[in-house]
Amino acid sequence: DVKVTQSSRYLVKRTGEKVFLECVQDMDHENMFWYRQDPGLGLRLIYFSYDVKMKEKGDIPEGYSVSREKKERFSLILESASTNQTSMYLCASSGGDSPLHFGNGTRLTVT
Amino acid sequence: DQQVKQNSPSLSVQEGRISILNCDYTNSMFDYFLWYKKYPAEGPTFLISISSIKDKNEDGRFTVFLNKSAKHLSLHIVPSQPGDSAVYFCAASALSQAGTALIFGKGTTLSVSS
Repeated sequence: DVKVTQSSRYLVKRTGEKVFLECVQDMDHENMFWYRQDPGLGLRLIYFSYDVKMKEKGDIPEGYSVSREKKERFSLILESASTNQTSMYLCASSGGDSPLHFGNGTRLTVT
Repeated sequence: DQQVKQNSPSLSVQEGRISILNCDYTNSMFDYFLWYKKYPAEGPTFLISISSIKDKNEDGRFTVFLNKSAKHLSLHIVPSQPGDSAVYFCAASALSQAGTALIFGKGTTLSVSS
């Protein structure tokens, strides 16, 4: 079974802090994704990566960056956290014919 | 502009009846469609998919129908069970186009009462 692990379930940060959200998958998937989920807005794509050291902007990349130094790990970075980045962040991976597999999410609160 | 639309934010159904969740899309390049189910405090889980070469795909109580000319798909759950109560997301992608990712709708919250 595919496992996508997000390092924190809940996180509280202050405005202006640099925040790192970590995601690891154990199925050797090429593709990894970061989405955020907000009430009434569904799942919105922030960034994705099709290979190590490669990244592509999604629909809402502003205020975020990503890092993929190893195939199994995809990090989302909030350079300077703001209150409008309070959200549920979901990491996902896919490979070959497999559909997207999600982690359990990190609920981030920025105060 | 939303490329994947779920126009009903919520749906209430009685146990044992059919649940029909609808989804519309605008991008004619989409050729692969999926439904995900999400419980609170968990990540979405894959439910069922359909490619554009088919118009129907079944998996147990779940059936997805695709109408390409109308750019519409629907998920039927028969019979509905209380454990089906969750948020359902429709998603689409253009597999034929390299470098694209899944685009999700806003979700429909299904409540199944016993």
